[in-house]
Amino acid sequence: GEDVEQSLFLSVREGDSSVINCTYTDSSSTYLYWYKQEPGAGLQLLTYIFSNMDMKQDQRLTVLLNKKDKHLSLRIADTQTGDSAIYFCAENLSGGYNKLIFGAGTRLAVHP
Amino acid sequence: SAVISQKPSRDICQRGTSLTIQCQVDSQVTMMFWYRQQPGQSLTLIATANQGSEATYESGFVIDKFPISRPNLTFSTLTVSNMSPEDSSIYLCSVALAGGITDTQYFGPGTRLTVL
Repeated sequence: GEDVEQSLFLSVREGDSSVINCTYTDSSSTYLYWYKQEPGAGLQLLTYIFSNMDMKQDQRLTVLLNKKDKHLSLRIADTQTGDSAIYFCAENLSGGYNKLIFGAGTRLAVHP
Repeated sequence: SAVISQKPSRDICQRGTSLTIQCQVDSQVTMMFWYRQQPGQSLTLIATANQGSEATYESGFVIDKFPISRPNLTFSTLTVSNMSPEDSSIYLCSVALAGGITDTQYFGPGTRLTVL
């Protein structure tokens, strides 16, 4: 069935790079997304990648997509304390229906 | 993107009562969605709010429990009926923008509901 999996927790030192990983099941997904949720807040769209791309870079964010392995990653360069949040990976299901399937979220903790 | 607001931002309710959550968008959108995020969990789609027709509910969610209105292209409401403590969650609306990358959803700030 439809499933998106993420590791639940990541701890990094300020200034280091963070890599958050995600695997998904629907090989026909057109778009894959990364959302950020800060404590007590809604979801903020961070970035997305179209399924025919391998990589997308946006300032400190780099998204890598391996379609063969159905693996998506988000790299945050020079991680700051303001990056502490829960990061959700989501896939858009095929079939022309805008249904997003979310992973459980990865809690990123940035420490000095 | 779009500016999305929700009211109320939070509420504490007694079991057996109902709460209506409003979602307002600053531009016309074709598709609006309602999600539930239970404590410490990910998001689960409740339903798609269709303008001019009944909402489309996902498995496990029914209209009697979560009636939805979509009177126009900028507004929707979700009612949580006959609440129990298990309904304590964050409820989020999202929109998919027409004319852009229509598969991309933008979320409101959420409504944090606590049922006693």
